[in-house]
Amino acid sequence: AQSVTQLDSQVPVFEEAPVELRCNYSSSVSVYLFWYVQYPNQGLQLLLKYLSGSTLVKGINGFEAEFNKSQTSFHLRKPSVHISDTAEYFCAVSDQSGNEKLTFGTGTRLTIIP
Amino acid sequence: DTAVSQTPKYLVTQMGNDKSIKCEQNLGHDTMYWYKQDSKKFLKIMFSYNNKELIINETVPNRFSPKSPDKAHLNLHINSLELGDSAVYFCASSRGGRTQYFGPGTRLTVL
Repeated sequence: AQSVTQLDSQVPVFEEAPVELRCNYSSSVSVYLFWYVQYPNQGLQLLLKYLSGSTLVKGINGFEAEFNKSQTSFHLRKPSVHISDTAEYFCAVSDQSGNEKLTFGTGTRLTIIP
Repeated sequence: DTAVSQTPKYLVTQMGNDKSIKCEQNLGHDTMYWYKQDSKKFLKIMFSYNNKELIINETVPNRFSPKSPDKAHLNLHINSLELGDSAVYFCASSRGGRTQYFGPGTRLTVL
C-alpha cells in the first residue's frame, strides 16, 4: 500500500515569486508519481508525471518537479507564479505492480497574493 | 473535444432516493475509474473497470453499483442515498493503467 503526504495545506505566495509545494510518499514497491491541479469548481487536470527516465520532469504552465528516490519526494516548483496559478494542487502515486489506483495526498491550496 | 465527460454536473436529491451518474470517454482508453472527493477535498478511489471487468472495489457500500456497458462508458448508480454521500464524484480513464485523465466532476448534494 502507498501513502502520500503533502506537508503544507495552504501556501500563500506573492505574484512573480517562486514556489515549492512539497510531496513525500511511502511505498514498498516502485511507483509512478503525478501532480494534478484543481482550479476552483473544476475537475482535475494533469500537471506533470514521472513514469521513468529523467528525474526532473517538466509540465504545463511552467511547473516542474523532481523525483528523489532516496528522499521519497516529488516536490513541485515554479520559478515565478501568476494570479492564475491559484488552485488546489494534489500529489498522487500509483504502484508499478499492476494495481492501477491513484493514492492522493490531502492537497495544497496555493494562493497568489497580488 | 471533451475527453472525459460526466452528466449531470450537479445533482440535488432527497435522502432515500436512487440516482445515477454517467461517464463517457472518447480517448480509446481501456480502464475507467470512479473517485469520490469529500468536503475536505480528499480524493479516494471507489471502483475501477478494465475492458468492462471490475478490477478495483475499495470497501464501498453496496448501495453503490458501477456498470460498464462498454469500454467507453462507466456509470455509477447509487441506491437509498444518505447525507454522507454528498460529495464530488470524478470519473477518470487511462490506457494501460498509467496516466489517468479526469472528468469535470459531478457535485452530488443529498438533502
